[in-house]
Amino acid sequence: KAGVTQTPRYLIKTRGQQVTLSCSPISGHRSVSWYQQTPGQGLQFLFEYFSETQRNKGNFPGRFSGRQFSNSRSEMNVSTLELGDSALYLCASSLGQDWNEQYFGPGTRLTVT
Amino acid sequence: AQKVTQAQTEISVVEKEDVTLDCVYETRDTTYYLFWYKQPPSGELVFLIRRNSFDEQNEISGRYSWNFQKSTSSFNFTITASQVVDSAVYFCALSESNFNKFYFGSGTKLNVKP
Repeated sequence: KAGVTQTPRYLIKTRGQQVTLSCSPISGHRSVSWYQQTPGQGLQFLFEYFSETQRNKGNFPGRFSGRQFSNSRSEMNVSTLELGDSALYLCASSLGQDWNEQYFGPGTRLTVT
Repeated sequence: AQKVTQAQTEISVVEKEDVTLDCVYETRDTTYYLFWYKQPPSGELVFLIRRNSFDEQNEISGRYSWNFQKSTSSFNFTITASQVVDSAVYFCALSESNFNKFYFGSGTKLNVKP
């Protein structure tokens, strides 16, 4: 069974631009969660989507948004990029029921200059 | 306040030594789950174990073992006879009633030297 895939793996953007990251979950998984990982803040939860609905949300500004499609694939968008948005963005998928373990993708390394 | 605390930022051991990674959590929920993940240099987090709040039995998987103690709110991870391939950052995580919202600790970087 294929793992969680994320595209692109690396991105370089300029301040003020917007960016869209994509995540394809493990087949059969209906939940997709997004995390931001930085050296200073560690791993922080952004949001979770289940059956095309946002079910959980972290403490990030509205510039961070996401969506999930009917095939469970998810996209994350960051608008008006700031230097502080430079991070590794990790996507995780799970069955979405109870407390299933999450399986992580390789991440997208975003650099904002 | 941090929900998950991993006080050890970095640990260095020599191959074949045993090493314990500490994890202390904080929650008011009676039902919760605890997890450990490994992040090798490649960056991808690898799931190691899940433990629910009602099961305090220790678990052993090969060279890995976990000690869950609700009385001290700790979920420690021990690697026996460490190997160079164990070098990675290890994260402890907590999931409460919003079960797919994980709170991660800051991670412990383990260096195993030959």
